[in-house]
Amino acid sequence: KAGVTQTPRYLIKTRGQQVTLSCSPISGHRSVSWYQQTPGQGLQFLFEYFSETQRNKGNFPGRFSGRQFSNSRSEMNVSTLELGDSALYLCASSQRQGAATGELFFGEGSRLTVL
Amino acid sequence: DQQVKQNSPSLSVQEGRISILNCDYTNSMFDYFLWYKKYPAEGPTFLISISSIKDKNEDGRFTVFLNKSAKHLSLHIVPSQPGDSAVYFCAASADNAGNMLTFGGGTRLMVKP
Repeated sequence: KAGVTQTPRYLIKTRGQQVTLSCSPISGHRSVSWYQQTPGQGLQFLFEYFSETQRNKGNFPGRFSGRQFSNSRSEMNVSTLELGDSALYLCASSQRQGAATGELFFGEGSRLTVL
Repeated sequence: DQQVKQNSPSLSVQEGRISILNCDYTNSMFDYFLWYKKYPAEGPTFLISISSIKDKNEDGRFTVFLNKSAKHLSLHIVPSQPGDSAVYFCAASADNAGNMLTFGGGTRLMVKP
């Protein structure tokens, strides 16, 4: 069974640009969550999608957005990039909502560097 | 305001001995707790979890203890192996929060042969 696939794995952007990251969940998983990992803030929840609907959103500005498609694949977008957006962006999938119903399976992440 | 804290950024233990990783939380709404392990250049992988209705959960060499009154949980690894060297994250979830996890800052465990 293939794991969670994130693309691209590495990318470099400049301030003011925008970026789109993609996540393909494990087959059969309908929930996709996104997390940002930085050295200073650790792992922080961005948002969660389930059946194409955003179910939860973390404390991030509106420049961060996402969506989920009917095949459960998800994308997240960051507009007007700032230096502080440099981070590892992790996608996680789960069969159902609710941490108690099953753990999250993480991808390897997309490492974004903003210059 | 960090709702989940791992106060030890690193821990070094000898192979074969016990590793104890600690985690404290402040949010009383948290009712499910998980531990994840992360190797460099990989995503976190699930290790073990515990519901707030329990105070202990075991899985092989890994045991998680939960003290609700102290809002504290710990992960015990016995015996520790060099392959356990990784960063360990504690995470917590509230029942109505879907898959939104609040993570601690992580503890880097080094197991020396």
